[in-house]
Amino acid sequence: EDQVTQSPEALRLQEGESSSLNCSYTVSGLRGLFWYRQDPGKGPEFLFTLYSAGEEKEKERLKATLTKKESFLHITAPKPEDSATYLCAVQNLMDSNYQLIWGAGTKLIIKP
Amino acid sequence: NAGVTQTPKFRILKIGQSMTLQCTQDMNHNYMYWYRQDPGMGLKLIYYSVGAGITDKGEVPNGYNVSRSTTEDFPLRLELAAPSQTSVYFCASSSPGGGYEQYFGPGTRLTVT
Repeated sequence: EDQVTQSPEALRLQEGESSSLNCSYTVSGLRGLFWYRQDPGKGPEFLFTLYSAGEEKEKERLKATLTKKESFLHITAPKPEDSATYLCAVQNLMDSNYQLIWGAGTKLIIKP
Repeated sequence: NAGVTQTPKFRILKIGQSMTLQCTQDMNHNYMYWYRQDPGMGLKLIYYSVGAGITDKGEVPNGYNVSRSTTEDFPLRLELAAPSQTSVYFCASSSPGGGYEQYFGPGTRLTVT
């Protein structure tokens, strides 16, 4: 069964303190792994898609990496505006309906 | 280009009432999805559609119904509302020809009392 597990559930950092969020996944064949940001009271906002192990993508202070079993979202020198819940999802290569299997998210809080 | 829009933003229903959550996208995406999100839980797929006239059940379809008469619109119908349907509902769309990511609307917060 396809499954996504995110850790930690919550992470509190000081402004400027770099860290990483983890997304572990089990899927019979990976079409893509997706990272989203969700602010309170809003819909998820797409950040990155990673397709194969070794791939990396960056956006401002965020860098996403992918291995065959997990993905990391690295946050470098975060600012308070990076506070949000970060969601990870995978898509099975055999799914012709392009459904996403979601993790429960990591709530990131950056204190000034 | 508004993306995915949802109405209403908030709604309170009494047990047994019915309502329709509206979803419209202007990106000409074939694929559309309805999710519910409960506190501390991941997004759960309710129903999805791969094109006008074609819909199918997701992980948690009980108590809901959908239709897809046009590419743009994908309404979600709640019949005989129950407290277990209290949740935040998100509509999303995607176009696998351009990439596999889904784009989300702002959500509808529904309370059933």
